[in-house]
Amino acid sequence: EPEVTQTPSHQVTQMGQEVILRCVPISNHLYFYWYRQILGQKVEFLVSFYNNEISEKSEIFDDQFSVERPDGSNFTLKIRSTKLEDSAMYFCASKPTQELGNEQFFGPGTRLTVL
Amino acid sequence: AQSVTQPDIHITVSEGASLELRCNYSYGATPYLFWYVQSPGQGLQLLLKYFSGDTLVQGIKGFEAEFKRSQSSFNLRKPSVHWSDAAEYFCAVGARAAGNKLTFGGGTRVLVKP
Repeated sequence: EPEVTQTPSHQVTQMGQEVILRCVPISNHLYFYWYRQILGQKVEFLVSFYNNEISEKSEIFDDQFSVERPDGSNFTLKIRSTKLEDSAMYFCASKPTQELGNEQFFGPGTRLTVL
Repeated sequence: AQSVTQPDIHITVSEGASLELRCNYSYGATPYLFWYVQSPGQGLQLLLKYFSGDTLVQGIKGFEAEFKRSQSSFNLRKPSVHWSDAAEYFCAVGARAAGNKLTFGGGTRVLVKP
């Protein structure tokens, strides 16, 4: 069964460093998402991406964040200069079509720890 | 703005007993509603979803949920819990827009006693 994959599973970085979290969505899916979950808090929407551009972003997704689909398979989230409060589990998700209410398929997450 | 509340942070249930997880939502129109489950070290797996039609929806692993518009609720139930059901459960509401972002509740952690 196709699944969303994410690498690495755990990333440790120093404050101020850049990190890139990688996701391989399910093949032929058209919508892509990033969510995050700070320990003990809710899963929060960060950004959605469709047709090679951001379709929606939350107020969390400031200038320090960017997303890219550099090739036909990868979808990345870059944090330019990490802060302590960026420590969280980051989930990638993908959805097959533009049809409203389609299920989003989630990856296993990348745990980011900023020291 | 859409929001989801899961009033119970933790629930402990005996194996074989019934389980009900509460979910209340706020959304300005008819919502899309989802229940996801997260086992340790795993991603979020969809249990079931509601878009329209029959308000009682069946999902995987023997779960069902009932949409009650008058109560703005979408509670998840299982008649007989198995030890493998120990996990964290998230209710989510989906926007009726093309981007269709999900707004999650805080989650309910279910512990299953032998």
